[in-house]
Amino acid sequence: NAGVTQTPKFRVLKTGQSMTLLCAQDMNHEYMYWYRQDPGMGLRLIHYSVGEGTTAKGEVPDGYNVSRLKKQNFLLGLESAAPSQTSVYFCASIDPGLAGSYNEQFFGPGTRLTVL
Amino acid sequence: GDSVTQMEGPVTLSEEAFLTINCTYTATGYPSLFWYVQYPGEGLQLLLKATKADDKGSNKGFEATYRKETTSFHLEKGSVQVSDSAVYFCALSFLMNYGGATNKLIFGTGTLLAVQP
Repeated sequence: NAGVTQTPKFRVLKTGQSMTLLCAQDMNHEYMYWYRQDPGMGLRLIHYSVGEGTTAKGEVPDGYNVSRLKKQNFLLGLESAAPSQTSVYFCASIDPGLAGSYNEQFFGPGTRLTVL
Repeated sequence: GDSVTQMEGPVTLSEEAFLTINCTYTATGYPSLFWYVQYPGEGLQLLLKATKADDKGSNKGFEATYRKETTSFHLEKGSVQVSDSAVYFCALSFLMNYGGATNKLIFGTGTLLAVQP
């Protein structure tokens, strides 16, 4: 199993450009999440999905859109990138079959995005 | 609102020193508590967890006890190694409803640990 993978690993954008980050998991996990990590702020939840075809807003959703067309993939889109979106983006997934608040989220290796 | 507060780093120790990284939380209800570790250039990995008061999580020589009375979950290790150098995140989790139960993690800001030979 590859676990959770993210592409690309690095990207530099100019202000106003658009891009899509791809997260893929091969563990058949139902729930998937997108976080951003900024210095001194820990990880903050952007959007999440509890199943194919569903999405919901997290703590910092503005400027991002997501889609979950296939169970194994969760896409994060930036329609018009801004310098404030310079960050490291992490995807995570979880198996809700082990119901409860103590389940482990499995994280991808991250995408480092710089917006100039 | 719900939050996690960690001691600021960096924490610099010599090999074989004793480690404590403080973590306190504010939460409504009864969350589960976690420590995640992030090695350089990698994603986060679960280090240990505790699901209820007085539980002790342990892994790779690290320990943390869920203290409800002090709302704390301090991370400790008796003898650190150079390979323990990483960023450590304290986090809490509770159920978040969206057509059914799910999971939401709230993270602290992270503490960088640097262990010198």
